[in-house]
Amino acid sequence: NAGVTQTPKFRVLKTGQSMTLLCAQDMNHEYMYWYRQDPGMGLRLIHYSVGEGTTAKGEVPDGYNVSRLKKQNFLLGLESAAPSQTSVYFCASSHRDRRNNEQFFGPGTRLTVL
Amino acid sequence: AQKITQTQPGMFVQEKEAVTLDCTYDTSDPSYGLFWYKQPSSGEMIFLIYQGSYDQQNATEGRYSLNFQKARKSANLVISASQLGDSAMYFCAMREVWTSNTGKLIFGQGTTLQVKP
Repeated sequence: NAGVTQTPKFRVLKTGQSMTLLCAQDMNHEYMYWYRQDPGMGLRLIHYSVGEGTTAKGEVPDGYNVSRLKKQNFLLGLESAAPSQTSVYFCASSHRDRRNNEQFFGPGTRLTVL
Repeated sequence: AQKITQTQPGMFVQEKEAVTLDCTYDTSDPSYGLFWYKQPSSGEMIFLIYQGSYDQQNATEGRYSLNFQKARKSANLVISASQLGDSAMYFCAMREVWTSNTGKLIFGQGTTLQVKP
């Protein structure tokens, strides 16, 4: 049982390049989330999904797109990377019907945009 | 307006002593949940404890307890008998159930705890 995995773990991009971050979970969770973590600001929600084929914007969605074609996968795309997107990105998932909806987090992806 | 406030950017505690990490929240949702996560220097997010807004008793998980004061809108984390491995960043987070039943969390800015030997 791998839990939540993220690919890649590290990446360096040049301004204007594009990339996709992959999140996968093997817990059959309905809900999935993408957060970014910047120094002194905690985690902020970028996009989330409540089920296969559905996505919604979070607190800081600009510059990102997402897709959830399969229940177990949630992809985060950067079409034209900017230095302001330098951050640590966390994916998380949770079960819909559990009382506390505890979120399980992936190990994070450290992205640097030059 | 910030919904989750952690006013202590950094804290020190002596090994084996207890420490309280503060968290206040703001919501008009009558049903909500409060979480604490630990983030060690290795970067992963570790779930510690959960408190539901309708729970009558304060949550406890081993050395962790949550001092939930609903009227004051505070959900402080208490760590008893601190260990060196408790040195980490700690995040308080809230889930609003009626406002947004999607499980999404709102995080505070975090508190860095350092345990001294």
